[in-house]
Amino acid sequence: DTAVSQTPKYLVTQMGNDKSIKCEQNLGHDTMYWYKQDSKKFLKIMFSYNNKELIINETVPNRFSPKSPDKAHLNLHINSLELGDSAVYFCASSQVFLGAPYEQYFGPGTRLTVT
Amino acid sequence: SQQGEEDPQALSIQEGENATMNCSYKTSINNLQWYRQNSGRGLVHLILIRSNEREKHSGRLRVTLDTSKKSSSLLITASRAADTASYFCAVNSGNTPLVFGKGTRLSVIA
Repeated sequence: DTAVSQTPKYLVTQMGNDKSIKCEQNLGHDTMYWYKQDSKKFLKIMFSYNNKELIINETVPNRFSPKSPDKAHLNLHINSLELGDSAVYFCASSQVFLGAPYEQYFGPGTRLTVT
Repeated sequence: SQQGEEDPQALSIQEGENATMNCSYKTSINNLQWYRQNSGRGLVHLILIRSNEREKHSGRLRVTLDTSKKSSSLLITASRAADTASYFCAVNSGNTPLVFGKGTRLSVIA
């Protein structure tokens, strides 16, 4: 059983388009995250949701909008895509948050290429 | 920044040798975690060490934590070709999210 799944795995699109990435976890975790990994492998958190509520919103352009319809899903919508948005986007989930030790489970990633 | 910094950036060893990677961070932490990322895959959690722990083992992995030096090391003993991957440390300071370093790329040559 896949713990954290993302679709699509690859996404190639043109500048200016709008696209979405979907994420689902079947671990029963309360907290989900979106990370961006650039070409140098640096992994940076973008958003965190706890029980469908936005907890963390790092310095991310407002073209990026996360949506959590329920605590098992966290989708990422990106408007007006730019070349600099090209990266691998990872979804992750964890059991606890804020002060309690937690390990994160990552999805396989979505490689976004903007041309 | 709380970001962990791994050292070295890249490491190449022969199968059967031990691999040691280091991580340094800047402020106090709740715990430090190590993750592995195989090429084209997501990160996989390896081990978590709490701030009051000094050493932890999991199979061929040994992690140490020195909070006075704000550093941690990951030792992989008797490495295998399948250990080839990038290894990341991540620090948790309680009310902040995990902050990942840039990783060490390990190549194990058969």
